[in-house]
Amino acid sequence: QSVLTQPPSVSGAPGQRVTISCTGSSSNIGAGYDVHWYQQFPGSAPKVLIYGNSNRPSGVPDRFSGSKSGTSASLAITGLQAEDEANYYCQSYDRSLRGSMFGGGTKLTVL
Amino acid sequence: QVLLVQSGAEVKKPGSSVKVSCKASGDTFSTYGINWVRQAPGQGLEWMGGLVPIFGTADYAQKFQGRVAITADESTRTAYMELSSLRSEDTAIYYCARDEGYSGSYYGYWGQGTLVTVSS
Repeated sequence: QSVLTQPPSVSGAPGQRVTISCTGSSSNIGAGYDVHWYQQFPGSAPKVLIYGNSNRPSGVPDRFSGSKSGTSASLAITGLQAEDEANYYCQSYDRSLRGSMFGGGTKLTVL
Repeated sequence: QVLLVQSGAEVKKPGSSVKVSCKASGDTFSTYGINWVRQAPGQGLEWMGGLVPIFGTADYAQKFQGRVAITADESTRTAYMELSSLRSEDTAIYYCARDEGYSGSYYGYWGQGTLVTVSS
């Protein structure tokens, strides 16, 4: 069981908006540590999608956005496309565990 | 452009050890953290530990304390992850990933992954 909790799956039709939540605690997200998001396709290494809560690396479409509030963070994807179908992971640091950690992952299905 | 190239797939017996390498090119090696993340078949990502080569001391996830050793050779720009007392549950893809040099930073560069299969 992950310290960071994500919904196992979300889905949406093309063009719609979906959000993926990442719920932590006062020892990680709530302690002020950044949240980062990764996209992973089957058979490939993860790729950073959002870093530092809301920053997009060069090349990531602005359809992807991140936010953080209190002990939670969210990844939003607007204008959903078939190519967005993938697994998404949040990541942060926990001061009690003194290490990095990932959420359990969310599988996005584009209907 | 940073490139991380990992060693090839391994098949190991239960109780043995495995050592996976990760060779970096394209940017400063010593001042950025190299982390190891594994992914069991059909499962999520799991951070194992990491180190910043110039500091030399690794941090490990509690789950792997005493069973994993992460090291780095600055002269060859190569990081290593050795996992001992292997069991079937250690069957996974092991990735190295470079962070930005501070605790809690993101992993902007990843190796291609190394499949380790533990089977008798």
